Amino acid sequence: KAGVTQTPRYLIKTRGQQVTLSCSPISGHRSVSWYQQTPGQGLQFLFEYFSETQRNKGNFPGRFSGRQFSNSRSEMNVSTLELGDSALYLCASSWDSNGAPGELFFGEGSRLTVL
Amino acid sequence: SQQGEEDPQALSIQEGENATMNCSYKTSINNLQWYRQNSGRGLVHLILIRSNEREKHSGRLRVTLDTSKKSSSLLITASRAADTASYFCATDAWTGTASKLTFGTGTRLQVTL
Repeated sequence: KAGVTQTPRYLIKTRGQQVTLSCSPISGHRSVSWYQQTPGQGLQFLFEYFSETQRNKGNFPGRFSGRQFSNSRSEMNVSTLELGDSALYLCASSWDSNGAPGELFFGEGSRLTVL
Repeated sequence: SQQGEEDPQALSIQEGENATMNCSYKTSINNLQWYRQNSGRGLVHLILIRSNEREKHSGRLRVTLDTSKKSSSLLITASRAADTASYFCATDAWTGTASKLTFGTGTRLQVTL
C-alpha cells in the first residue's frame, strides 16, 4: 500500500508570493491533517479535513488555507508569504473512527524556504 | 500551542543503554501517542496508549500513562544507533467539534556506539 505522498518536496519562494502544497493520503484514509514544523515553534497544527470538510483548525492567520477533494487528496495554500513561513509542512492521513484521527501516517513533508 | 512538554529536550546515551523520555500535558485526553522523526523527515507512529490504560509494550518500547499526573513516559530498552532520532508525544483531545492530535516539543535522542 502506497504511503502518504507530498509534493513538492522542496521549494523556494520570495516574500509576497503564494504557494500550494499537495498531499495524497493512503488509500482509504478520509482524514488529512496538516502541520507546520519549525525549529522555534516545533510541530504546530494547521488544520484537519474529513470528507471534504474542515473539522479542526489551528491558530494560524487566514493566509493559511486548505481544502480536501472528493478523493481525499488535500491541498494547502499560503498566500502573501512571509519569511517566518519558512518551515517543513507535514501532511498526515488517518483511517479515523468515531471522529478521532487515531494513528497518523505522515508524508515526508514539503520544505518551504521563503527568501 | 503545544499540549505536551517533553523532558529532557536532548538525551545522549551509549548503545545498549536504556533511554527514558517524559511527556507532560495539560488537558484531559482520549489517548496519547508517541512518534519518532529522523532528521528532517516525516514522523513515524510508534505506539498509542488509551486514557484507560496504564502501561503498554511494543518490542523494545514501554509506555506508561498516569492520567492523574497528566504525564507519560517512553522507555526504549537496549538502545541501538538506529534509534537516534527525535521523539514526540502527541495527545488526542476533544476540541468540542472533533478530536485533535497535538504534539509536544520533542526529545532529541543520540545513541552512540
